[in-house]
Amino acid sequence: DTGVSQDPRHKITKRGQNVTFRCDPISEHNRLYWYRQTLGQGPEFLTYFQNEAQLEKSRLLSDRFSAERPKGSFSTLEIQRTEQGDSAMYLCASSGTLPGASGAPNTGELFFGEGSRLTVL
Amino acid sequence: AQSVTQPDIHITVSEGASLELRCNYSYGATPYLFWYVQSPGQGLQLLLKYFSGDTLVQGIKGFEAEFKRSQSSFNLRKPSVHWSDAAEYFCAVVFMEYGNKLVFGAGTILRVKS
Repeated sequence: DTGVSQDPRHKITKRGQNVTFRCDPISEHNRLYWYRQTLGQGPEFLTYFQNEAQLEKSRLLSDRFSAERPKGSFSTLEIQRTEQGDSAMYLCASSGTLPGASGAPNTGELFFGEGSRLTVL
Repeated sequence: AQSVTQPDIHITVSEGASLELRCNYSYGATPYLFWYVQSPGQGLQLLLKYFSGDTLVQGIKGFEAEFKRSQSSFNLRKPSVHWSDAAEYFCAVVFMEYGNKLVFGAGTILRVKS
């Protein structure tokens, strides 16, 4: 399978526990994005990486959230001291750079994984 | 702030009928526009995208969308809906002046009745 994969697909945890999600992007893609989706809403941007550099973080990403992409390949999203309001679907997406567009803004299609659903009890 | 509006939360159409899903976005000089579809338990799938050129773009599964800059709109259309089109549809925009992230609308749930 050459798509974006996310693990685990479902996570149920108790309030106050830490959780970590992993995303494996499409191998040749240099950009990786994290989004959060709650019921009845569209996906909301959390953060994105170009290679291993985290280039932008949303104000939605509180201090309890941390994302890494240490080798510019897979990424992890950790939530510390989970709260019930963290219950959501966490989506990962990856994209490449347009051919011949070195240094240009990336307008390529985002390929999404199937998401990791978090339920905080 | 950059925003994308999908005014219809739910739409129900009969199988075989035509479909139009509305999308409007806040002002942006160079928006890049997308429509994604999400079926239950599935990831988001790109239907079509507009970067430049012809303002009527064709996508997969018989969908098309028209970019109207004067109305800041990018409505999705399909001439004849199939039962398998029942899903949630998201309009998304990259506002190039504000970085490279996709901003999504809240989605429109399409129900198809036979």
